[in-house]
Amino acid sequence: ETGVTQTPRHLVMGMTNKKSLKCEQHLGHNAMYWYKQSAKKPLELMFVYSLEERVENNSVPSRFSPECPNSSHLFLHLHTLQPEDSALYLCASSQSPGADGYTFGSGTRLTVV
Amino acid sequence: KQEVTQIPAALSVPEGENLVLNCSFTDSAIYNLQWFRQDPGKGLTSLLLIQSSQREQTSGRLNASLDKSSGRSTLYIAASQPGDSATYLCAVFSGGYNKLIFGAGTRLAVHP
Repeated sequence: ETGVTQTPRHLVMGMTNKKSLKCEQHLGHNAMYWYKQSAKKPLELMFVYSLEERVENNSVPSRFSPECPNSSHLFLHLHTLQPEDSALYLCASSQSPGADGYTFGSGTRLTVV
Repeated sequence: KQEVTQIPAALSVPEGENLVLNCSFTDSAIYNLQWFRQDPGKGLTSLLLIQSSQREQTSGRLNASLDKSSGRSTLYIAASQPGDSATYLCAVFSGGYNKLIFGAGTRLAVHP
């Protein structure tokens, strides 16, 4: 149990579908993050929420839409994705802004067909 | 701009060996350094967190050292086991929300 839970673990979706990834943290942290990990590439930071406000948006295409309804939950809404969006999507949390380390979830393996 | 380099990129060793993974970073103004383990297709598991004021941290067979002034950290794994096979990632935190910078990782294989 990492304290950060991601669902689903695996997701296959067509390019016209709409789906959402969910992340929940049980650590009392107040910052949450979405990272993308593509094959043979380093982790890429996508979005950062601190105290439920988005504080970083690293030039991510609008087909990815984050939502943070409270400090324990983070969603990534997906629509009209491309095959190159297939990757492992990792959620992380920290006590803002991260001086006590980061805790990651197990990830969602997304395949776009 | 902070850059993190991990050497070697891949390592294959027989069971029982002691081994050292290296991490270097270009900007010594860091708050902490964190070592993670990643199994294939899985998330990241935090192994050790070293604050900038510390020189080393230990957990079981793992020992991580930090030399901030020279921009280096090492992860020492004692008496390696096949279950240690994974990718090991080093990440430095320099403050701010977009300042956790990862290395590309060392892929470790321990064979019986």
